[in-house]
Amino acid sequence: DVKVTQSSRYLVKRTGEKVFLECVQDMDHENMFWYRQDPGLGLRLIYFSYDVKMKEKGDIPEGYSVSREKKERFSLILESASTNQTSMYLCASSLGTPDTQYFGPGTRLTVL
Amino acid sequence: TQLLEQSPQFLSIQEGENLTVYCNSSSVFSSLQWYRQEPGEGPVLLVTVVTGGEVKKLKRLTFQFGDARKDSSLHITAAQPGDTGLYLCAGRRDISNFGNEKLTFGTGTRLTIIP
Repeated sequence: DVKVTQSSRYLVKRTGEKVFLECVQDMDHENMFWYRQDPGLGLRLIYFSYDVKMKEKGDIPEGYSVSREKKERFSLILESASTNQTSMYLCASSLGTPDTQYFGPGTRLTVL
Repeated sequence: TQLLEQSPQFLSIQEGENLTVYCNSSSVFSSLQWYRQEPGEGPVLLVTVVTGGEVKKLKRLTFQFGDARKDSSLHITAAQPGDTGLYLCAGRRDISNFGNEKLTFGTGTRLTIIP
């Protein structure tokens, strides 16, 4: 079975802090994605990566950056966290496109 | 951003009843997926429909893709408490610089089946 793990299930940070969210997949997938999920808005794509060291902006990249130094790991970075970044963050991976996306359990981030 | 609107946003029904959830857009998608998400977990793929008018069945769940590939529906027959969850539709679109397809997710329908 494909497994996508995220470093934290719950995270509480203060405004202005730098925040790292880590995601690891164990199935040698080419593609990895970061979404945020908010009630009534569904999942919105922040960034995605189709190869190591390659990244492309999604629909809402402002205030975020990403890093993919190794194929299995995709990190989401909040350079200076703000309260409007309080949300559920979901990581996903897929073998190719088009293909099924497999999701991690999510990180619920609260920014105070 | 292309939006997929789902209706209803919330639905609470008794066990054994039937229900239909709708997913609508003004945009055409190359295919459409339905996911179910349970509390504390990420979404899990239920089905992918590709052809306009296509109907797929998964036990008591019936999925249909609209003829124009702009909308979809999910019908559940004789709902059971295990069907409780957040149902998300997601349409595939090709807008990236590398010609890869990405998913646009719907707004979600939170379904509760009361025993």
